[in-house]
Amino acid sequence: DIQMTQSPSSLSASVGDRVTISCRASQDISNNLAWFQQKPGKAPKSLIFSASSLQSGVPSKFSGSGSGTDFTLTISSLQPEDFATYSCQQYNSYPYTFGQGTKLEIK
Amino acid sequence: QVQLQQWGAGLLEPSETLSLTCGVSGGSFSGYYWSWIRQPPGKGLEWIGEISHTGSTNYNPSLKSRVTISVDTSKRQFSLKVSSVTAADTAVYYCARWDDGLPSMDVWGKGTTVTVSS
Repeated sequence: DIQMTQSPSSLSASVGDRVTISCRASQDISNNLAWFQQKPGKAPKSLIFSASSLQSGVPSKFSGSGSGTDFTLTISSLQPEDFATYSCQQYNSYPYTFGQGTKLEIK
Repeated sequence: QVQLQQWGAGLLEPSETLSLTCGVSGGSFSGYYWSWIRQPPGKGLEWIGEISHTGSTNYNPSLKSRVTISVDTSKRQFSLKVSSVTAADTAVYYCARWDDGLPSMDVWGKGTTVTVSS
């Protein structure tokens, strides 16, 4: 299985900040990577697919980059509704696997 | 707008079989893979498996011996069964749509909490 490792596991930031979350794959996954946002008690919400393509309806403050084994999710101008847990997922090969999640908290 | 509504038993005893169903409303049922994902308390997401409208399946090897995913296209539903459950199967279970055209797991059910306890 491909292991997905996110860093940091948690992150404190202030409203208006820009933050970056990293995701590393244990082997080359090309650009077959997605990012999800999850709020407490809610289902994950798709943000980005193919490493950098924005899901329909997702604001452009979210952006993704990377290919191969190293990927990043950047969120600009943080608003209160952005504080949540973010997870990456590889779909390059079965079984699909997720990172452990990065919890973004208000400072 | 596509919506997924899921239901099933939320409390099981060890060795019982977990059974969940996800109904699809709106949009097309064919042309997608329909997935199950779970999330143990305080942990990350785990992909369980998926099924196409034709019944073609892919499973996570870590669960494959105990998991069956089936589809009923006439009812626009797909189902998950996990046999011989233990406390380690306690989790929130989600159904989701995999759109290979994007590609993305773009639509999710609200989740069902399943607790395994004697």
